[in-house]
Amino acid sequence: NAGVMQNPRHLVRRRGQEARLRCSPMKGHSHVYWYRQLPEEGLKFMVYLQKENIIDESGMPKERFSAEFPKEGPSILRIQQVVRGDSAAYFCASSPLGVNTEAFFGQGTRLTVV
Amino acid sequence: AQTVTQSQPEMSVQEAETVTLSCTYDTSESDYYLFWYKQPPSRQMILVIRQEAYKQQNATENRFSVNFQKAAKSFSLKISDSQLGDAAMYFCAYRSFSQGGSEKLVFGKGTKLTVNP
Repeated sequence: NAGVMQNPRHLVRRRGQEARLRCSPMKGHSHVYWYRQLPEEGLKFMVYLQKENIIDESGMPKERFSAEFPKEGPSILRIQQVVRGDSAAYFCASSPLGVNTEAFFGQGTRLTVV
Repeated sequence: AQTVTQSQPEMSVQEAETVTLSCTYDTSESDYYLFWYKQPPSRQMILVIRQEAYKQQNATENRFSVNFQKAAKSFSLKISDSQLGDAAMYFCAYRSFSQGGSEKLVFGKGTKLTVNP
């Protein structure tokens, strides 16, 4: 059973471009979380999704950021018109359906905006 | 809102010795989970240990144990017989005991642990 897969591991974008980060949850997991880690910081919650639904997006910046978790395929975190301040490691975690189940993390995508 | 504080940005320990990492948190909830995660240079977040707030007994996992003081809102991690492979960033995290709501984790800023041979 493969773990949570994130790709790409490293992504370089120029200012103003779009960044698309992908997360394939573990098999059987229907809950996905996205977190952002700035240098020398802990992870900060961004968004929580279930299949085709956004459950909690309280940590998402209001502009330029969006997330989806379609019925088929990976979850996508999309950042439009990237700026230098978006440079960070973005982590995805997934958990199975059920109350208070464990979340498993992917290895993250390091986004560098130049 | 819940907050998690790790007051030690860096710690070091000699191989085979014991080290304790501190964590305090703030919440008005009575039921919740607390976690310690390890992040080695590979960046993979690895769950080290987990504590349910309703359990009075401190969790242990081999060389890792916690000192959970609910009234003081303190959740420290003790690593015994430290090994070189324990060197990493350690993050304390809080999660609500949610019934169908968001189960997001709230993380502290981390403690960088160095293990000296």
